[in-house]
Amino acid sequence: KQEVTQIPAALSVPEGENLVLNCSFTDSAIYNLQWFRQDPGKGLTSLLLIQSSQREQTSGRLNASLDKSSGRSTLYIAASQPGDSATYLCAVKGSGGSNYKLTFGKGTLLTVNP
Amino acid sequence: GAGVSQSPSNKVTEKGKDVELRCDPISGHTALYWYRQRLGQGLEFLIYFQGNSAPDKSGLPSDRFSAERTGESVSTLTIQRTQQEDSAVYLCASSLKISSGNYGYTFGSGTRLTVV
Repeated sequence: KQEVTQIPAALSVPEGENLVLNCSFTDSAIYNLQWFRQDPGKGLTSLLLIQSSQREQTSGRLNASLDKSSGRSTLYIAASQPGDSATYLCAVKGSGGSNYKLTFGKGTLLTVNP
Repeated sequence: GAGVSQSPSNKVTEKGKDVELRCDPISGHTALYWYRQRLGQGLEFLIYFQGNSAPDKSGLPSDRFSAERTGESVSTLTIQRTQQEDSAVYLCASSLKISSGNYGYTFGSGTRLTVV
């Protein structure tokens, strides 16, 4: 059974800092990995999708890496802003018979202080 | 539509009542998913639809929960005889197709259900 762990559970940083969020998964047989952002009381916004054959994806100040063999992904946020404050969720899509189901971590609650 | 739409956004119901939650996926998305997020917990998979069929209902917590999809479009999640432990945010997502596995999900804003 796939398990996804996100570390740290919470992170508080001053504005302008670069930061890294970590995600690990137990079963490396995945199709892709997706990073989401969730604001309080809201749904999930997709940030980056990395296919299993890819090593990284970039969007603006965000960069996500994937090391499938070791079961790890990181989300790097450059020059953090107060508007980046949210919960960041990592999710993996399994391969084979479960190639439709996302397994989520519990998230990292990020607070960027002005 | 441009995104996944869920209604209502908030629902407060009395214990024992039935509730219906609605999801309108992105037009053309053949795959539709329901997830539940209880306070302080991660997202739990409930059910997945491919077209109007539900090949995997394994995440439905009990027989009080059911879901249907019609016209390869709108889906309704029904909870009968609601209990307080059903209180959660119910999230719907859709994607283009699942056969290759290489498509991302688009989520709606969720329905926050509170059972009192």
